[in-house]
Amino acid sequence: QVHLVQSGAEVKKPGASVKISCQASGYTFDSSSIHWVRQAPGRRLEWMGSINTDTGNRRFSQNFQGRLTLTWGTSTSHMDLSGLRFDDTAVYYCAKGGGNIWYRAWFDAWGQGTLVTVSS
Amino acid sequence: DIVLTQSPGTLSVSPGERVTLSCRASQSVVSNLAWYQQKPGQAPRLLIYGASTRASGVPARFSGSGSGTEFTLTISRLQSEDFAVYYCQHYVNRPPITFGGGTQVEIK
Repeated sequence: QVHLVQSGAEVKKPGASVKISCQASGYTFDSSSIHWVRQAPGRRLEWMGSINTDTGNRRFSQNFQGRLTLTWGTSTSHMDLSGLRFDDTAVYYCAKGGGNIWYRAWFDAWGQGTLVTVSS
Repeated sequence: DIVLTQSPGTLSVSPGERVTLSCRASQSVVSNLAWYQQKPGQAPRLLIYGASTRASGVPARFSGSGSGTEFTLTISRLQSEDFAVYYCQHYVNRPPITFGGGTQVEIK
């Protein structure tokens, strides 16, 4: 069974960075992309970016260009968001990409979510 | 960016009723559309991909249809566990991937 387990909640000050990890199990890690999606209070789900865990290729939403770093290791992906603002307060999810084209993916498994609160 | 508009925003229904949710894309996404169910405090759960293919383990009462810019998620007979928010998502070639604003299905 596929499982994605994320690191715990974070509280950060404006301007700081946050790093969230996503530990995958139950499938061959480099066979599927990992995507990052966030959900701010009262707002729709927002795709942030994705990483091909086989080649290391990445795609980013322009909304996060320059602030978002995606890395990966053994069965783990990391998301690093810098220059935090109050409106970055959200639940951040990692999700496993489905389908044969890594950047054109639906999300067939999700982590449990990590709440990031940006507060002074 | 491709904008996905879901309607209605909220749907009040009784258990056992048939439910139809709509997702409209601002430009064609062909059949590159997925549907998710999200319950409070939980991550979204994949229901449908490719506009009409049920994900593994999803009950047959859930069905998806449509192509191009108009899509529908139908729940044939609503069960108590189906009260949730439903989102559509496109995954065409050009980023970003986007989601609709969601439809909340609540108990009447």
